[in-house]
Amino acid sequence: EAGVVQSPRYKIIEKKQPVAFWCNPISGHNTLYWYLQNLGQGPELLIRYENEEAVDDSQLPKDRFSAERLKGVDSTLKIQPAELGDSAVYLCASSPGSLGTEAFFGQGTRLTVV
Amino acid sequence: AQKVTQAQTEISVVEKEDVTLDCVYETRDTTYYLFWYKQPPSGELVFLIRRNSFDEQNEISGRYSWNFQKSTSSFNFTITASQVVDSAVYFCALSEAWGTYKYIFGTGTRLKVLA
Repeated sequence: EAGVVQSPRYKIIEKKQPVAFWCNPISGHNTLYWYLQNLGQGPELLIRYENEEAVDDSQLPKDRFSAERLKGVDSTLKIQPAELGDSAVYLCASSPGSLGTEAFFGQGTRLTVV
Repeated sequence: AQKVTQAQTEISVVEKEDVTLDCVYETRDTTYYLFWYKQPPSGELVFLIRRNSFDEQNEISGRYSWNFQKSTSSFNFTITASQVVDSAVYFCALSEAWGTYKYIFGTGTRLKVLA
């Protein structure tokens, strides 16, 4: 069974440019997460989807970040415009959604803003 | 408020030594779940174990063992006879039953196993 797939693995952009990350969760997983991981830190939640509904986006900087999960499967996270401080690893995870189940993570997208 | 503390930033051991990674959590919920993940250099977080708050039995899986103590709010992870392949960053995480199903991670412990 395929795991969580993210692309691209690496992205280097200039500040003020837009960037988008794509995630394909494990088949059948209703819950999808986007996490931000800064260097030397643990992942921090940006947004959580239940099917196509964003049920927790309280940590998403909505002035520049947006996300969507059309049809409740794949998801895209966008930053526009990017700032130097956005340089980090963006992790996507999915879970079946049942209480207490573990989340399965993709390899992440390492973003560098120059 | 929920919080996970991993006070050990980095640990170095020589191969075949035993090592324990500490995890202390805070939560107001009586029902919650604790997890350990391994993050090798490739970057993917690999699930290792899940524990619910009602199950305080220790668990052993090969060279890995976990000690869950509600009295001290700790969920420690021991690797016996460490190997170079164990080198990675290890994260402890908490998920509350009445929270938003999100996982609260600690800052991680980088383990270096030297040959």
